[in-house]
Amino acid sequence: GDSVTQMEGPVTLSEEAFLTINCTYTATGYPSLFWYVQYPGEGLQLLLKATKADDKGSNKGFEATYRKETTSFHLEKGSVQVSDSAVYFCALQRDDKIIFGKGTRLHILP
Amino acid sequence: GAVVSQHPSRVICKSGTSVKIECRSLDFQATTMFWYRQFPKQSLMLMATSNEGSKATYEQGVEKDKFLINHASLTLSTLTVTSAHPEDSSFYICSAYNGGNGYTFGSGTRLTVV
Repeated sequence: GDSVTQMEGPVTLSEEAFLTINCTYTATGYPSLFWYVQYPGEGLQLLLKATKADDKGSNKGFEATYRKETTSFHLEKGSVQVSDSAVYFCALQRDDKIIFGKGTRLHILP
Repeated sequence: GAVVSQHPSRVICKSGTSVKIECRSLDFQATTMFWYRQFPKQSLMLMATSNEGSKATYEQGVEKDKFLINHASLTLSTLTVTSAHPEDSSFYICSAYNGGNGYTFGSGTRLTVV
């Protein structure tokens, strides 16, 4: 069945460092892909999405490109901030269901 | 923006008792809501799809009689964990489908069964 695999955390970086969180998926066809973020004590928020191959989703300095050749949707940010500390979930949509990866906890040091 | 309120955020109950978790869409109507369960260091697992005015659709392996779902209105879905046991302790999250705005998630409920 469909699944999402993302790098395990926690990931600890210094402020202004470059961030990559890897995400690959297994699915039939071309599902929509998402990155969700969960800040401490809050619910999941949609960070960005891409609905077809080669689409690039972007928001708040984060980017991810839908790569069908490598079935990947890696999350990147050029310069992270302390406020980016959170748990990040890669996900795909199949019909009306969202399938999540395990989440990657990101911790940014000042 | 769209907001989903989930209550309670934390609950501790004794084994054998039942616990009800509420999920409300505050500023939109949601004919479809979803319930997820998250184990430590694991992904959110979809438990069931809650449809307003009809029976919930459960994922394979989820006990219908253990996890009762009611979606009686367009803004409220409830999950009741019946006869709770320690292995039911987990983090439960709901989400509501908001049409073109996608999915909005609640902040989750940490259930501890002692």
